[in-house]
Amino acid sequence: AQSVTQLDSHVSVSEGTPVLLRCNYSSSYSPSLFWYVQHPNKGLQLLLKYTSAATLVKGINGFEAEFKKSETSFHLTKPSAHMSDAAEYFCVVSEDNQGGKLIFGQGTELSVKP
Amino acid sequence: SAVISQKPSRDICQRGTSLTIQCQVDSQVTMMFWYRQQPGQSLTLIATANQGSEATYESGFVIDKFPISRPNLTFSTLTVSNMSPEDSSIYLCSVERGRDRGYTFGSGTRLTVV
Repeated sequence: AQSVTQLDSHVSVSEGTPVLLRCNYSSSYSPSLFWYVQHPNKGLQLLLKYTSAATLVKGINGFEAEFKKSETSFHLTKPSAHMSDAAEYFCVVSEDNQGGKLIFGQGTELSVKP
Repeated sequence: SAVISQKPSRDICQRGTSLTIQCQVDSQVTMMFWYRQQPGQSLTLIATANQGSEATYESGFVIDKFPISRPNLTFSTLTVSNMSPEDSSIYLCSVERGRDRGYTFGSGTRLTVV
C-alpha cells in the first residue's frame, strides 16, 4: 500500500535562506509524486510533479525536488525563501494501478521570518 | 490545465440538513475525485466519480452520507447528507489532466455545520 510521510509538521526559515521540506513515500509500484501548496483560504496549487522522467524536477516559483528511489524520498527545496512562500505544503503520491487516487501527506506549514 | 468551477465557496448549515456541492470542469474528463479536508488536517479521498457508473467510495465513506452524481463528462455533485458538526470541513473536487500533467483542484467549499 502506498503512503506518504512528511517529516516536519512545521518549518520556520528566515527570508533569503534555503528551504527544505522533507517527504518520504512508500509505494509498491512506480509512483507519481507531487508537491502542492495551499495558501491560507486559497485552493491547492501544483508546484511540481515527478512521473518517472528526470529525477530532479523543477517547479514553479523556484522550487525543485529530487526523486531518490534508494531513499524513497522526494524532498522539496528552494535556494532562497521569500515571504510569499509562507503556506502549507503537501507531498502527494499516486500509483498507476490505483485509478488516479492521490494519497496526501499530513502537510508541512512553512513560516518565513523577515 | 483544466479550470474547475466549484460552488458554493462556503456555507453555514444547520445540523440535520443536506448541502449539495457542484463542480464544473471546462473540458471533458473521465474521472472526477472528491476530497475532504478536516480542520487543520490533510486531504482524504472520499470517492471517485466516473460518468455513467456509480461512484467508488473509500473506506469510511458511504453513499448514503455522501451521494455523488456524475451526469456527464464535465460536471459532478457531492451531497453531504444529514449533516452534523463533525462534517464541518473543506470539500474539494479534482480532476486528472493526464499522467504527466498532474491534477487540478477546485477552490473548495468551506462547510460549517452548526
